[in-house]
Amino acid sequence: SQQGEEDPQALSIQEGENATMNCSYKTSINNLQWYRQNSGRGLVHLILIRSNEREKHSGRLRVTLDTSKKSSSLLITASRAADTASYFCATRAAVNKLTFGGGTRVLVKP
Amino acid sequence: DAGITQSPRHKVTETGTPVTLRCHQTENHRYMYWYRQDPGHGLRLIHYSYGVKDTDKGEVSDGYSVSRSKTEDFLLTLESATSSQTSVYFCAISADRDVGELFFGEGSRLTVL
Repeated sequence: SQQGEEDPQALSIQEGENATMNCSYKTSINNLQWYRQNSGRGLVHLILIRSNEREKHSGRLRVTLDTSKKSSSLLITASRAADTASYFCATRAAVNKLTFGGGTRVLVKP
Repeated sequence: DAGITQSPRHKVTETGTPVTLRCHQTENHRYMYWYRQDPGHGLRLIHYSYGVKDTDKGEVSDGYSVSRSKTEDFLLTLESATSSQTSVYFCAISADRDVGELFFGEGSRLTVL
């Protein structure tokens, strides 16, 4: 079973626009991570937010975490064609257990 | 980029044959993982290792075994491949079990006919 569920499953935007995707999870977590996967490649870690943090920034990425709602959002500002990829949230609820959601496919049109 | 190499990258095999996928790392990380990725299921953990000769099952371990005789190598074996094991398999490594961002290999695409 998937701990995290991303929404929407797919997103299409114009270059320069912001992209927002959400992740909901079911159990208490230690941290939540976001990964990017380009077509045919492995996943790449983007950002980690701990359970006691509410917001985190990294370059054009902004992640929020609401533990009361068991949800997180990833915002990509000023999107570029190179941001076209699938984005996955992953939750760490226990040692050695990083559970991934089904992902959001993002298409950035030039 | 983390030094993780998966082999083979692509394999086509027949039902009932044994298959071994190899993951090799040059980072000296203690923790290694095998995931499979299927449409509609995201990534699911098959097995993981927390040291040489120390392994444990993930959520979809049936039909798979693993071995880790050296820090740098983690092998995934399908003793008798089935069509349901057609998937993309990813190896990942981590230095920290408690927080641990994962570093992924490029994947091994396995087709079982």
